[in-house]
Amino acid sequence: AQKITQTQPGMFVQEKEAVTLDCTYDTSDPSYGLFWYKQPSSGEMIFLIYQGSYDQQNATEGRYSLNFQKARKSANLVISASQLGDSAMYFCAMREGGTYKYIFGTGTRLKVLA
Amino acid sequence: EAQVTQNPRYLITVTGKKLTVTCSQNMNHEYMSWYRQDPGLGLRQIYYSMNVEVTDKGDVPEGYKVSRKEKRNFPLILESPSPNQTSLYFCASSIRGQGINIQYFGAGTRLSVL
Repeated sequence: AQKITQTQPGMFVQEKEAVTLDCTYDTSDPSYGLFWYKQPSSGEMIFLIYQGSYDQQNATEGRYSLNFQKARKSANLVISASQLGDSAMYFCAMREGGTYKYIFGTGTRLKVLA
Repeated sequence: EAQVTQNPRYLITVTGKKLTVTCSQNMNHEYMSWYRQDPGLGLRQIYYSMNVEVTDKGDVPEGYKVSRKEKRNFPLILESPSPNQTSLYFCASSIRGQGINIQYFGAGTRLSVL
């Protein structure tokens, strides 16, 4: 069965520094997609970045990059040059290629310090 | 403006009183889904729909019903709510197909069952 694990319930980072949020996954399907979402204190879910299992390069979107290590089944989110507005809950999610079911991790709450 | 609209945003009800949370999207998306978010558990998928009249169970469907009579609407029905259904509920929609299918989320419905 598919599974997403986020082992860091909470993290702190100094403003302007980089931070890595961990995500490991488990699936037997060779085709899958991995997503990261941000949930600020206001509650909405904001899509950040996507990585497909067959993508050769790590995904990047502005200050966000995904460190995809397929053999280790990890898809860590890297946020460069942290800003105070990055303080939020971050969720890793996966969808197996043959289904329309999504699995989310339990989330990591990031606090950026001034 | 492209959006997913959920109503109501907040709801307090009593055990056993049937309720419906509405969800509507204006992006002509085939895929729609319901999630519940609970502290420490992340988001869990309740039901999803791949198109009109096509629905399937997610990981936590017990106590919920859905219907998809029109492409834009995907209501969540609690026939006999219980206190363990107190949660934050999200509706989401996306295009259907392989590859990157970004889910767009509604603002959430906070439900309390007394």
